[in-house]
Amino acid sequence: QLQLQESGPGLVKPSETLSLTCTVSGGSITSSSHYWGWIRQPPGKGLEWIGSVYYSGTTYFNPSLKSRVTISVDTSNNQFSLKLTSVTAADTAVYYCARQNYSGSGSSRAPKWFDPWGQGTLVTVAS
Amino acid sequence: EIVMTQSPATLSVSPGERATLSCRASQSVSSNLAWYQQKPGQAPRLLIYGASTRATGIPARFSGSGSGTEFTLTISSLQSEDFAVYYCQQFNNWPLTFGQGTKVEIK
Repeated sequence: QLQLQESGPGLVKPSETLSLTCTVSGGSITSSSHYWGWIRQPPGKGLEWIGSVYYSGTTYFNPSLKSRVTISVDTSNNQFSLKLTSVTAADTAVYYCARQNYSGSGSSRAPKWFDPWGQGTLVTVAS
Repeated sequence: EIVMTQSPATLSVSPGERATLSCRASQSVSSNLAWYQQKPGQAPRLLIYGASTRATGIPARFSGSGSGTEFTLTISSLQSEDFAVYYCQQFNNWPLTFGQGTKVEIK
């Protein structure tokens, strides 16, 4: 059974960089049928997709965050990581990692739904 | 960006009753839509993908329908464990976007 676990600091100072890692167990991050994504949820609010990465390193990002986001993959450790620079209080959220289905054929092949998700980790931006 | 609008924001339903949740896209997403369930303090769980296909292990009382811009999630007979927040997500266009959620509460 595939499991994902987020890890990283729970408190980050304004203007600094948020760094999180997602460790995948029970399956390989080099699956050709999956992307790996980051999603966040501010307290009491809805879900926002941040970005997704393939084991080859191909990435997609939400344009609203693209200038501040880096997502990378470490196949040797079955992990992928998120870095978000210049954080503010608005970046306070629960950050989830998730496996993303990658299916379809030809031009319709694209990352799609998320399943399963990690338990999430709360990151607070405060001084 | 495709905006996903869910209605109602809150749905009050008695156990055993039927619940119907709506999700509308600002432009067509074909059948490229998923539904998730989120309980307090937990991560979202995939219920439906491709607008109408139940994910593995999801009970038959959950069903999805629709295409284009109008989608529906139906819970045929609400059980106590179904009271939660439900989100739709489109994966037809970048960026991937979620609706704001519908909270299903006990009436």
